[in-house]
Amino acid sequence: SQQGEEDPQALSIQEGENATMNCSYKTSINNLQWYRQNSGRGLVHLILIRSNEREKHSGRLRVTLDTSKKSSSLLITASRAADTASYFCATDVSNDYKLSFGAGTTVTVRA
Amino acid sequence: DAMVIQNPRYQVTQFGKPVTLSCSQTLNHNVMYWYQQKSSQAPKLLFHYYDKDFNNEADTPDNFQSRRPNTSFCFLDIRSPGLGDAAMYLCATSRELGGGDTQYFGPGTRLTVL
Repeated sequence: SQQGEEDPQALSIQEGENATMNCSYKTSINNLQWYRQNSGRGLVHLILIRSNEREKHSGRLRVTLDTSKKSSSLLITASRAADTASYFCATDVSNDYKLSFGAGTTVTVRA
Repeated sequence: DAMVIQNPRYQVTQFGKPVTLSCSQTLNHNVMYWYQQKSSQAPKLLFHYYDKDFNNEADTPDNFQSRRPNTSFCFLDIRSPGLGDAAMYLCATSRELGGGDTQYFGPGTRLTVL
């Protein structure tokens, strides 16, 4: 079963607006990663946040992690048409090698 | 550029006709993974290799096999494809096992079963 669940399932925004998506997970984790998938392509790693970190930035991306609520958020600021993609969170479970992916949030950025 | 390459990008096969998908990497990573992804769903791990050690996920059907003849190449064999096996198949690599390592994905092979 999936460890992570993204919310919302789909998001449509205007170019220049911010996009926020959330990921909730069920069991304790060591790390949480966010990946992007353009339509019909493979996944691209965006950012990794460790369980002892609360916030991380990479360019226009900001990720937060709240281990007490078992949730993470991904914020994309000043969105561009090229940000149109599906975004997946992926968690590892303590003592397990695997990444468990959620079903993703599909983001559409309108020009 | 170092990368993960999958061939072919699109594969059409007939119901029950064996098919092989291939993946190669120039990253020299220890771990290679195969995922199945159906439309609007999460990627589902089928199996992985750590070097030559093969690990099958408990719920991966027997119909799916894998080979890794060397560090660079990994193959996914579907012995008797059914209609339910139509999906995107993603190959990924990582330096080491564990969720603290980034996984690098190929572009995927979209399999159609007629």
